[in-house]
Amino acid sequence: SQKIEQNSEALNIQEGKTATLTCNYTNYSPAYLQWYRQDPGRGPVFLLLIRENEKEKRKERLKVTFDTTLKQSLFHITASQPADSATYLCALDLRNQGGKLIFGQGTELSVKP
Amino acid sequence: EAQVTQNPRYLITVTGKKLTVTCSQNMNHEYMSWYRQDPGLGLRQIYYSMNVEVTDKGDVPEGYKVSRKEKRNFPLILESPSPNQTSLYFCASSLRGGSSGANVLTFGAGSRLTVL
Repeated sequence: SQKIEQNSEALNIQEGKTATLTCNYTNYSPAYLQWYRQDPGRGPVFLLLIRENEKEKRKERLKVTFDTTLKQSLFHITASQPADSATYLCALDLRNQGGKLIFGQGTELSVKP
Repeated sequence: EAQVTQNPRYLITVTGKKLTVTCSQNMNHEYMSWYRQDPGLGLRQIYYSMNVEVTDKGDVPEGYKVSRKEKRNFPLILESPSPNQTSLYFCASSLRGGSSGANVLTFGAGSRLTVL
């Protein structure tokens, strides 16, 4: 069956540390993998994406890796800040399926000062 | 400001009373979509539209209708709401096939619907 899973537990880390969030999937062949941030009571906001033929992508304090053999993406926030506290969603961007995105359930990140 | 606007943001209604959630985008996006978000189930696609007058079912279309008569608007219609449609609804849009070819979505702020 097709599945997409993120860290099931909330992630609590200390300010200044690196947060690492995991996104695993089975039986999909995404052309891209996207990451979104969602704050309570608000819609998801796009952060960055990585293509199937890319291994790593960076944007400021964010880094995403993508391993299509393991079917896994890791999302890192370095030098984390309390303002990074939110829920982070990964999404598979499928080819040839009308632009469909398959979202994970999200991982809630809490950064303590 | 580039945005997706949904209304109403909050609504409590009763079973069977037809309602419409409006969605409008000001970015000239071709692609629009509706999602519902439920605890433990994540975001699930209800309907999407690749362009004006073109709509298609997502993963959970039962009990919903949509229309795309104009590029900027994509209303979600619940003809006869039931309690299992109590959820948080998001409208989203995208250029669809921009420079990267990816479908990067811009979401609205959400509409929380309760059906009693």
